[in-house]
Amino acid sequence: KQEVTQIPAALSVPEGENLVLNCSFTDSAIYNLQWFRQDPGKGLTSLLLIQSSQREQTSGRLNASLDKSSGRSTLYIAASQPGDSATYLCAVLMDSSYKLIFGSGTRLLVRP
Amino acid sequence: DAGVTQSPTHLIKTRGQQVTLRCSPKSGHDTVSWYQQALGQGPQFIFQYYEEEERQRGNFPDRFSGHQFPNYSSELNVNALLLGDSALYLCASSLDRGLGGYTFGSGTRLTVV
Repeated sequence: KQEVTQIPAALSVPEGENLVLNCSFTDSAIYNLQWFRQDPGKGLTSLLLIQSSQREQTSGRLNASLDKSSGRSTLYIAASQPGDSATYLCAVLMDSSYKLIFGSGTRLLVRP
Repeated sequence: DAGVTQSPTHLIKTRGQQVTLRCSPKSGHDTVSWYQQALGQGPQFIFQYYEEEERQRGNFPDRFSGHQFPNYSSELNVNALLLGDSALYLCASSLDRGLGGYTFGSGTRLTVV
């Protein structure tokens, strides 16, 4: 059974810091991995999608990497801003399934 | 592009009642999935509809049912509501099984009292 874990559960940093959010999964038979952002009480906004054949994807100040064999993905946020404060969720799509399996998220607070 | 549209935004129901939530997928998407998200947790998969059929179901009781219409929009129905059904219900759309990623709506906040 696939399990997705996100560490840390919460993170508080001063504005301007570079930071790394971690996502690990127990079954490497994934088709892709997607990072989402969620503001309090709101829906999910897709940030980056990495196919299993890819090693990383970049969008602006965000960079996501994927090491499928070790079951790990990282989301790197450069020069963090207060507007980056939100919960960040990773989710995997398995080869043999149609459902996304989510981690519990990392709550990020960027202090001015 | 309107993205994924969900209605209503908020809903308050009494235990034992029935509720219907609605979802319109992103333009060009043909598959709709429903997720339940409890406070502080990641979303949990309820089921997915493709070609008007339930293609996969998560670990949810039969009180949860759904439908997909020919225009790809979808409904989630929950019967005999329990207090534990209070959650944020998210709709996600994709092209077929989501190999190109999923797009989520803003969700419906259901409170059961």
